[in-house]
Amino acid sequence: AQSVTQPDIHITVSEGASLELRCNYSYGATPYLFWYVQSPGQGLQLLLKYFSGDTLVQGIKGFEAEFKRSQSSFNLRKPSVHWSDAAEYFCAVGSSGGSYIPTFGRGTSLIVHP
Amino acid sequence: GAGVSQTPSNKVTEKGKYVELRCDPISGHTALYWYRQSLGQGPEFLIYFQGTGAADDSGLPNDRFFAVRPEGSVSTLKIQRTERGDSAVYLCASSLLAADTGELFFGEGSRLTVL
Repeated sequence: AQSVTQPDIHITVSEGASLELRCNYSYGATPYLFWYVQSPGQGLQLLLKYFSGDTLVQGIKGFEAEFKRSQSSFNLRKPSVHWSDAAEYFCAVGSSGGSYIPTFGRGTSLIVHP
Repeated sequence: GAGVSQTPSNKVTEKGKYVELRCDPISGHTALYWYRQSLGQGPEFLIYFQGTGAADDSGLPNDRFFAVRPEGSVSTLKIQRTERGDSAVYLCASSLLAADTGELFFGEGSRLTVL
C-alpha cells in the first residue's frame, strides 16, 4: 500500500528566508506525487505535481519540488517565504495505474515570522 | 458557483443521530471523492465515485457510513448512529476525469461535531 511521511509537524521560518518541507513516500512503482496547501477557511489547493519526466517541477506561488527516486523523497522548496505562505502543507502520493486515489501525509504547519 | 460546494459548513449533532452531508462538485467533473480529516491529520480517503457508481469504497470505516451520487453530480455522505469518534471535517473533491492529471479540486469541508 502507498503511504506518505511528513516528518515535520511544524516548521517556523522568518519572512524572506528559504523553505524546505520534507516528504517521503512508499510505493512500489512509479508514483504520482503532489503538494497541496490548505489555508485557514479554504479548501486544499494543488501547488504542484510530478508524473514523469523532469524531476524538478515548478508550481504556483513560487514553489518547486524535486523528485528523488533513490531517496523516495519529494521535498517542497521556496527560495523566499512570504507571510501569506503560512498554511498547512500536505504531500500526497497516487498510483500510476488504474484508479487514481491520492494518499495524503499528515501535513506540515508552516509558521512565518515577520 | 465555480468551485466545489459543501453543505452544511458546520453540523453539531448528538451521539446516535443520523447525519447527511452534501457535496456539489464542479460542473462536468465525473470523478468525486470523499475524505475525512481529523484534527492534526491529513485527509483520509473514504470513497470515490466515477459517474454514478462508487468505484472504490474501501475507505469507509464501517457500515454506518454510506454515500450516493444518483445522477452523477451531487453526492451525499450519510452517517447513521453517529459516534463521538466521527467528529471530523469531511472533505469533498472533484476531478474532471479519473486518473487524469491528478488535480483534485476540494471544497471547504463540512465540520461535524458529535456530542
